[in-house]
Amino acid sequence: DAGVIQSPRHEVTEMGQEVTLRCKLISGHNSLFWYRQTMMRGLELLIYFNNNVPIDDSGMPEDRFSAKMPNASFSTLKIQPSEPRDSAVYFCASRNTGDWTEAFFGQGTRLTVV
Amino acid sequence: SQKIEQNSEALNIQEGKTATLTCNYTNYSPAYLQWYRQDPGRGPVFLLLIRENEKEKRKERLKVTFDTTLKQSLFHITASQPADSATYLCALARNNAGNMLTFGGGTRLMVKP
Repeated sequence: DAGVIQSPRHEVTEMGQEVTLRCKLISGHNSLFWYRQTMMRGLELLIYFNNNVPIDDSGMPEDRFSAKMPNASFSTLKIQPSEPRDSAVYFCASRNTGDWTEAFFGQGTRLTVV
Repeated sequence: SQKIEQNSEALNIQEGKTATLTCNYTNYSPAYLQWYRQDPGRGPVFLLLIRENEKEKRKERLKVTFDTTLKQSLFHITASQPADSATYLCALARNNAGNMLTFGGGTRLMVKP
């Protein structure tokens, strides 16, 4: 398995534009996390899915952020409209919700909103 | 509110010495705690998991302790090497159900040759 795959690796966009980040889970994993990492706030949990269902989205900063899992292996995180303060590295991670297993992270998407 | 605190200041040590990193938490009753390593430009990578009923866990040069009374975990790297230089993060399950992982801010370790 190639691991968790995120795309794009880098995204530069203008304020007000829509941004879509993509994540492909490891085959067989049934939990997905989206995180955002900045120097100031560290690694923040945005949303958690289990078996394609959003379980907790309390970390999603605003209504401008939305996440979906259209199927068991794929997820998107959308920001509309984007703002400069959304600039960060966004990670997705997948795991099995078995016996407290480890999370596997993608390489991240570095988003810059200008 | 729930908090996971790690020393935000970088830890600088000499090669061959033991590095000790600290993770403190409040308002959690975790069933386990995990440690991850993160290199620049990459996602975190899992290192070790320790359960609430375990006092200590070892893996090669790594050792983790877990004190649920002090609400603290210590992460040790013995015989440190420059290749150990990275940021180390601890993680707990937010809802104590073992599912939702939340992370501390991480501590950057620099091992000098």
